[in-house]
Order: sequence, then C-alpha cells, then structure tokens
Amino acid sequence: NAGVTQTPKFQVLKTGQSMTLQCAQDMNHNSMYWYRQDPGMGLRLIYYSASEGTTDKGEVPNGYNVSRLNKREFSLRLESAAPSQTSVYFCASRRGQGANEQFFGPGTRLTVL
Amino acid sequence: GDSVTQMEGPVTLSEEAFLTINCTYTATGYPSLFWYVQYPGEGLQLLLKATKADDKGSNKGFEATYRKETTSFHLEKGSVQVSDSAVYFCALSEAANNDMRFGAGTRLTVKP
Repeated sequence: NAGVTQTPKFQVLKTGQSMTLQCAQDMNHNSMYWYRQDPGMGLRLIYYSASEGTTDKGEVPNGYNVSRLNKREFSLRLESAAPSQTSVYFCASRRGQGANEQFFGPGTRLTVL
Repeated sequence: GDSVTQMEGPVTLSEEAFLTINCTYTATGYPSLFWYVQYPGEGLQLLLKATKADDKGSNKGFEATYRKETTSFHLEKGSVQVSDSAVYFCALSEAANNDMRFGAGTRLTVKP
C-alpha cells in the first residue's frame, strides 16, 4: 500500500496563476482532508470531505476550492494564487471519526511569488 | 470550541536526557487524544494515542497518559536519542466530529 500520495512535491507559481494539488489514498478511507502548515501556526484545516460526494469548509477555506473526485481522490485548487498562500500543504485520510487516526501524505511545498 | 495547547519550543536536550512536552486540551465531550511526529521534509506520523481517561499510549519509548482531571496528555520519554529530533504535535478528536484539532507543534532537537 502506498498510503496517501500527493503531487506535485514542489511548485512555484506567480501571483494570479492557478493550479491543482492532487491527493489519493489507497486505504479505502471515507474521510479526506486538506491542511496548510505555516511556521509557528501548526496545521490549519482548509477543507475536508467526510465521504464521497460531500465537502465542507474548515478553518481557512478562502481562496481554495476542492473536489472529491471519487473515494480515492481529493484535489485542492487555487484559482488565483496569492503570496499569502505560500505554505506546505498536506492531505490526510481517515477511516471514520473519533478514535481513528489520520494518515498524512508527504506534503506539497508551494511558493507564490 | 475544542482546542489544544502545547508548550512552545524549541526544546533542546542532550542525548539520554528526559523529555516532557506538555499538552492540555479543551473539549466539550470526551475526545480521543493523539501525538504525532513530523521528521524534516515529511508528513505527520502517528506516534501514540489514547481513547479514554487514564489510558496510556506508548510507542518507541514515548508515553502519554490521558488525564481527564487536568485535561492533559503530556508526552514523555526517559532517554532521548539524536534520531528523536523532530516536531511533535498534540491533537484531539471528538467522536461526533469529523475533524481533528492540532496544537502548534513543539520542535525538539537532541544533541549528541
């Protein structure tokens, strides 16, 4: 099992450009998540999908959109990138709620110039 | 709402020293508690967890006990190694919620 995979690993964008971050999991998990990690701020939830066909906003959704393409895949789109979106982005998946842990991908380091 | 507060870092220790990283939480219900570890350039990995009061989670020499009376879940290790250098995150999850709340992270550096 590959677990949670993310592409790309690194990306540099200019202000105003768009891009999609891809995430896939092969653990048959229902829930998937997108976080951003900034120095000194821990992880902040951008969007999550509790199950195929549903998505919900997290703590910092502005400037992002998501698509739960199927049970395996959950993509994050930046329509018009801004320097404030420079961050490391992590995708995670989880079997259910409560006591179940989240499994994380290796991250995408995004720089917006 | 639910939240997690953990001690600010960075923490620098010598090899074989005793480690404590404090974590306290605020929750409306009875959450499960987790410690994750992040090595440089990698994603977070689950280190240990506890699902109810007085449970002790343990893994790789690390331990944490779920203390409901003090709303705490402090991470401890008796003798740290250079390879333990990483960022450690405390987190909680309520049964009724789908999300997980993370602390800000504590960077640990262990020197030989």
